[in-house]
Amino acid sequence: NAGVMQNPRHLVRRRGQEARLRCSPMKGHSHVYWYRQLPEEGLKFMVYLQKENIIDESGMPKERFSAEFPKEGPSILRIQQVVRGDSAAYFCASSPMGLAYEQYFGPGTRLTVT
Amino acid sequence: GENVEQHPSTLSVQEGDSAVIKCTYSDSASNYFPWYKQELGKRPQLIIDIRSNVGEKKDQRIAVTLNKTAKHFSLHITETQPEDSAVYFCAASLNEKLTFGTGTRLTIIP
Repeated sequence: NAGVMQNPRHLVRRRGQEARLRCSPMKGHSHVYWYRQLPEEGLKFMVYLQKENIIDESGMPKERFSAEFPKEGPSILRIQQVVRGDSAAYFCASSPMGLAYEQYFGPGTRLTVT
Repeated sequence: GENVEQHPSTLSVQEGDSAVIKCTYSDSASNYFPWYKQELGKRPQLIIDIRSNVGEKKDQRIAVTLNKTAKHFSLHITETQPEDSAVYFCAASLNEKLTFGTGTRLTIIP
């Protein structure tokens, strides 16, 4: 029974490039959350998705960031034209029914922008 | 939206002593309060949680208390051990969305 998978685990991008982060939820989970953790800070909610739908994107920066969770395949967090300030750990969590008490975190993707 | 404050930001405790970390939240509608332990480079791990209809919950050396009137909740770790050293985060859930505190770096001194 595999847990939440994220890949890549580490990603290095130069300023101006695109970063694509993938999250495969646990089997049977149709709800995905993305969080960002800047160095020495707590996790900040970014976006909540169900299959093919964005439910809440109130934590997403207005520009350069987008997320999707297609009918088939992993959820993708996409950052265009990365800047140094995007360097952070990005965690996703999945949930079977979208309830806070049953969110299971993935191992995270550590993005470094050089 | 919800706002969660966490104190202290760092805490050093002698091995065997107790550690207490406190959080306050702003929205009285929040109804679920988990605590996470995060070791360096790892994912947050849920260690204990409490719902708004309960005042206290205990699991071995770890306990959480909730005061809904004052809108604050606390994590208590007794008989601390070196492996308790980590960063601890509180969170509050409003409409199933988690808002995290800024974290407490707990160091256990052998």
